[in-house]
Amino acid sequence: AQSVSQHNHHVILSEAASLELGCNYSYGGTVNLFWYVQYPGQHLQLLLKYFSGDPLVKGIKGFEAEFIKSKFSFNLRKPSVQWSDTAEYFCAVNARGGATNKLIFGTGTLLAVQP
Amino acid sequence: DGGITQSPKYLFRKEGQNVTLSCEQNLNHDAMYWYRQDPGQGLRLIYYSQIVNDFQKGDIAEGYSVSREKKESFPLTVTSAQKNPTAFYLCASSAWGGSSYNEQFFGPGTRLTVL
Repeated sequence: AQSVSQHNHHVILSEAASLELGCNYSYGGTVNLFWYVQYPGQHLQLLLKYFSGDPLVKGIKGFEAEFIKSKFSFNLRKPSVQWSDTAEYFCAVNARGGATNKLIFGTGTLLAVQP
Repeated sequence: DGGITQSPKYLFRKEGQNVTLSCEQNLNHDAMYWYRQDPGQGLRLIYYSQIVNDFQKGDIAEGYSVSREKKESFPLTVTSAQKNPTAFYLCASSAWGGSSYNEQFFGPGTRLTVL
């Protein structure tokens, strides 16, 4: 069965610090990979996605993620965080070519950025 | 203004009562989904529907029921058999079909508290 692991449950950073959130998945086949963000009181929204091609993908608000196939990882990065990045971040996986459009989510990482 | 609406935003019920959560979309999407979000557990799929009058169980369907009588509507009933119903419930929708993944779009969620 597919699963997604996010090892950082809570992260506290000061503004301008660099961010890296870990995401590892377990699935033997080809996958589509996603990072979602949930700002306080707002909808879950897509931050970035990887389907194929360049393993370094850029998303909204200066975020990027790198797919490392050999490590089954899709870590999220941002060089300099802002207070407005305070949110919960979810990594998700979709098994490509599967019979369904299902997403498997990680447990989430709560990021608090201190001004 | 296209999107997904969920009502109400907050819902309180007494233990032993069934409760129905509403989800409506005007994106003309064929597929709809219900997720449950708990702190530290991420999002877990309850039910999904690929087409009107058809739906499938997700990973945690016990104690829940759904119907899909109209394309734009996918109500979720939390029954008294659900042992731990207090949670945040998210509805999503997507296009369906083809060999590639169809992006899911999420509603604002309903926070259910069972007293």
